[in-house]
Amino acid sequence: DVKVTQSSRYLVKRTGEKVFLECVQDMDHENMFWYRQDPGLGLRLIYFSYDVKMKEKGDIPEGYSVSREKKERFSLILESASTNQTSMYLCASSFFVPRGGGNTEAFFGQGTRLTVV
Amino acid sequence: AQKITQTQPGMFVQEKEAVTLDCTYDTSDPSYGLFWYKQPSSGEMIFLIYQGSYDQQNATEGRYSLNFQKARKSANLVISASQLGDSAMYFCAMRGGVSGGYNKLIFGAGTRLAVHP
Repeated sequence: DVKVTQSSRYLVKRTGEKVFLECVQDMDHENMFWYRQDPGLGLRLIYFSYDVKMKEKGDIPEGYSVSREKKERFSLILESASTNQTSMYLCASSFFVPRGGGNTEAFFGQGTRLTVV
Repeated sequence: AQKITQTQPGMFVQEKEAVTLDCTYDTSDPSYGLFWYKQPSSGEMIFLIYQGSYDQQNATEGRYSLNFQKARKSANLVISASQLGDSAMYFCAMRGGVSGGYNKLIFGAGTRLAVHP
């Protein structure tokens, strides 16, 4: 059974703290993604990675960084948490597909609801 | 830049009837993939259907079909014979773009579907 596992379901942090959200997949996927989900805004891409040590900015990278030292693990880092980063965070992974390739559905973790107080 | 637009924040349908959820996209790349996901109230993301930009026929998966109109850049999801269990949030997504070797995956804002008995 395919699995994407996020380290926490719920997290409460204080403003200014450094926060690490961890994501691990066991499917040998090249691609990994971090999204935040807010009502009315859908899923917005923060960062993604298509290989170890490779990262690409998504649409809302400000205030976030990522780390991918091993293929199976993709970490999202909030350098100094702020209240506007209170949100649901979703990690996903998929196989890499070259240009013109076919279906590569993404598999999602269960999400981390982060509250910054 | 890539963009996905879902203009219907909420829809409702009577049980056993068909419903169409709208999705338009924007990309300058001729090679891309389109996906639909379902998110029930439990929060998990469930892959429904995929359409490649070079696919000649509309994709179908059971009660789900994708009405792909390439010239209009639309990829509407059609659910036939709606069931109460179809009540959920539905997201349209697109893979493509030069970033990350054409593997960037972005989502729309979603449409909340309510199926009434």
